[in-house]
Amino acid sequence: SAVISQKPSRDICQRGTSLTIQCQVDSQVTMMFWYRQQPGQSLTLIATANQGSEATYESGFVIDKFPISRPNLTFSTLTVSNMSPEDSSIYLCSVEYDILSYNEQFFGPGTRLTVL
Amino acid sequence: AQTVTQSQPEMSVQEAETVTLSCTYDTSESDYYLFWYKQPPSRQMILVIRQEAYKQQNATENRFSVNFQKAAKSFSLKISDSQLGDAAMYFCAFLASGTYKYIFGTGTRLKVLA
Repeated sequence: SAVISQKPSRDICQRGTSLTIQCQVDSQVTMMFWYRQQPGQSLTLIATANQGSEATYESGFVIDKFPISRPNLTFSTLTVSNMSPEDSSIYLCSVEYDILSYNEQFFGPGTRLTVL
Repeated sequence: AQTVTQSQPEMSVQEAETVTLSCTYDTSESDYYLFWYKQPPSRQMILVIRQEAYKQQNATENRFSVNFQKAAKSFSLKISDSQLGDAAMYFCAFLASGTYKYIFGTGTRLKVLA
């Protein structure tokens, strides 16, 4: 199984600021994803982080609000820009190794973001 | 579009007893996967069990088993001999074959009573 770390584990931010969340995996992975889990709700896919190219965003999420980088096969960042209290959520990264993983995604511990 | 419904926001079970968590889904796909993920208070989601839609046999993993009813689009999780460590949020998830986008249910919070 994967060892996935996220930094920071939690943060409290002021409205209008930006926060960059890092996701580090212990080995190379083919697919990396970013999810949002709003309070008391389920997980929603924000985007797929593509190595060496622009991320693929799901409906309702845009690059200006959630810029994503993936410079290599073990690391990705998600920035939450111009934050508002509605952005208060847990943000999780997940990875999928390859077809041999039988579509199982491994999740990071999450970053709990509170926007005041 | 696929949907996943977990109708039980919260469940309780006595230690050593058995509990069943419900999940229904809607899809027009014929080839897909279903998952149960566990999210303890520490937040690290882990896979509990997986079911391939083309397999008629229900998946089992130690104390965890599923009741997969493809025609009814039902995928319930049974936890036998419940332990205190089973207390967590449980999410049912759907994945269409050939895609990477999980569709999660809203989760069921399981409490285990000593």
